[in-house]
Amino acid sequence: NAGVTQTPKFRVLKTGQSMTLLCAQDMNHEYMYWYRQDPGMGLRLIHYSVGEGTTAKGEVPDGYNVSRLKKQNFLLGLESAAPSQTSVYFCASSSRTSGRTSYEQYFGPGTRLTVT
Amino acid sequence: KNQVEQSPQSLIILEGKNCTLQCNYTVSPFSNLRWYKQDTGRGPVSLTIMTFSENTKSNGRYTATLDADTKQSSLHITASQLSDSASYICVVSARSNRDDKIIFGKGTRLHILP
Repeated sequence: NAGVTQTPKFRVLKTGQSMTLLCAQDMNHEYMYWYRQDPGMGLRLIHYSVGEGTTAKGEVPDGYNVSRLKKQNFLLGLESAAPSQTSVYFCASSSRTSGRTSYEQYFGPGTRLTVT
Repeated sequence: KNQVEQSPQSLIILEGKNCTLQCNYTVSPFSNLRWYKQDTGRGPVSLTIMTFSENTKSNGRYTATLDADTKQSSLHITASQLSDSASYICVVSARSNRDDKIIFGKGTRLHILP
């Protein structure tokens, strides 16, 4: 099992350019998440998905769009990149989270994005 | 407001020594608490998960404790090794009707010196 993989690992964009980050998981997890991690801020949820074809906004969704056309893939898009989107982006997946049952999130290795 | 506060922000100890990291939360209703280890340049990896009824959980040299009454958790590392140098993140889930809401702490950065 590869777990959670992310492509690309690094990317430099100019302001106004667009790009798509790809996340793939092979654990048959229902839930997938996109986070950004900035120094001193901790992980912040951008968007998440509770299943194929469904997405929802997280804490910091502005400037990003997502799609979950297949259960194993979760795409994060930046339509017009801004310097404020310079960050490290992590994808995660988990089985269903509910009630008193504990389901852990499995994280990908991250994508380091710089917008100049 | 649901919040997770971790202390200290950073910690430096000598190899072989023990240390304890703290996590205080104001998350309600509580579902579970997890500790993650994040090596530099890598994604977080789960160390322990505890529900309301669990007071302590061990994973090798890592022992997590939970006091649901005072809403505090600690992560104790025994006989530290250089490979323990990392950020340790406390994550608390708030139970809801449909899906738990997951709240991350900002982490404690631990440096182990030889």
